[in-house]
Parts: sequence; C-alpha cells; structure tokens
Amino acid sequence: GENVEQHPSTLSVQEGDSAVIKCTYSDSASNYFPWYKQELGKRPQLIIDIRSNVGEKKDQRIAVTLNKTAKHFSLHITETQPEDSAVYFCAASAPGAGGYQKVTFGTGTKLQVIP
Amino acid sequence: GAVVSQHPSRVICKSGTSVKIECRSLDFQATTMFWYRQFPKQSLMLMATSNEGSKATYEQGVEKDKFLINHASLTLSTLTVTSAHPEDSSFYICSALKLAKNIQYFGAGTRLSVL
Repeated sequence: GENVEQHPSTLSVQEGDSAVIKCTYSDSASNYFPWYKQELGKRPQLIIDIRSNVGEKKDQRIAVTLNKTAKHFSLHITETQPEDSAVYFCAASAPGAGGYQKVTFGTGTKLQVIP
Repeated sequence: GAVVSQHPSRVICKSGTSVKIECRSLDFQATTMFWYRQFPKQSLMLMATSNEGSKATYEQGVEKDKFLINHASLTLSTLTVTSAHPEDSSFYICSALKLAKNIQYFGAGTRLSVL
C-alpha cells in the first residue's frame, strides 16, 4: 500500500519567516495531493491541493510543489503569522479498489510560529 | 466548500456500552465516506471506507465486528463502537467524498472517552 512520509515532525519559525514541509510517497498511481491544517481538537481543513498534472500551485502565502519523478511534494508558507501555528498533514490520494480515491496521510508537522 | 456534520462531538461512556457516531454530508451527496481514528499527536489512520448501499471496506487490523459501519443513505454514515473499552478512547473523524471535485471534507470529530 501507499506510504507517505513527512518531515519535519516539528518546526519552529519566527514570525515573518518561511516554513517548508516535505513529503514523499511510494505509490506511483497517486494523482492528487491535498494538504490539511488541523488546530488542536478540531477537524482537518483543506488548505491547498495539487494534482499530478501540475508541478506547482500557489494561493497567496501558501504554495505547493510536486515532483512526480522523485515522488515528493512540499508545502511552502511565506511570511508566517502566529495563526499559522497548527499541525499540517500532507496526503497522497490514489485510485482504490472500489473505484474511489484512497487517501493516505503523512505523520504530521507541528508548526509553531513565534511572534 | 462543503459541509460535513459529525455528531456527537464528545462522548463519555462506561466500559461495555456501545456508542454510535453519525456523519452527515449536509449540502452534497456522498456515496463514499471514510472513518478515521486519531490518537493524540498522531496522524489520521483510516479505519474503513463506507460505501452507500454496500458493506464497508475495513483496513487491516480493524475489527469489523467491533466497529460497525452503516451507510444507508447518500448523506449519512454511522460508526458504532460496540462494547467499548478504555483502549477504544480516541478521536474519531469522518470524511465525505465530494465526487465532483474528488475532495474529502471532514467532520468536526468525536472525542470518545471510555471509563
């Protein structure tokens, strides 16, 4: 099955600096890569996603890059703010046996933005 | 976006009782819903995939007789933890797949505490 690795597990940055979180996946059939932000005790919220036919996508301060050959993708947050502090999960989605997309999550990165 | 409602948000029960958790997609139909379990400071682990009108597909190591899943309509899936024990205490999160966008939208989660 799919294996998604995520690094680092914790990340502390000064407010205004950039944060980068990296993930690798194993299933070459994966074609959709969402990123979720989860605040303590709350539901994961989709913040950005990228599909396998695109190499990069940007939404304001957040960008995601995908290297299909190397099977890795990254989340970039620029000009970090204290409200960016949360746990971030990457995920890889591949066609499952039942015709639906099966999502495998990374282990999470706890981001702390220091004011 | 799309709205997924999960109820209850918190349950405290005695060992041996059964607990039912509901997951509803409020503004879209979801033939596929997913149930995850999340331990503190850990990632989301897929327990099972719920398909409307058919039997759920369980991940390896998840007891189907322990975690009963019913997906009787296009907007509702339920997870019943039968004969709950303290080791079943966890954060359970559902998600519903919006097929048009192939995106999972998460419920707010249910924190189960078994005494």
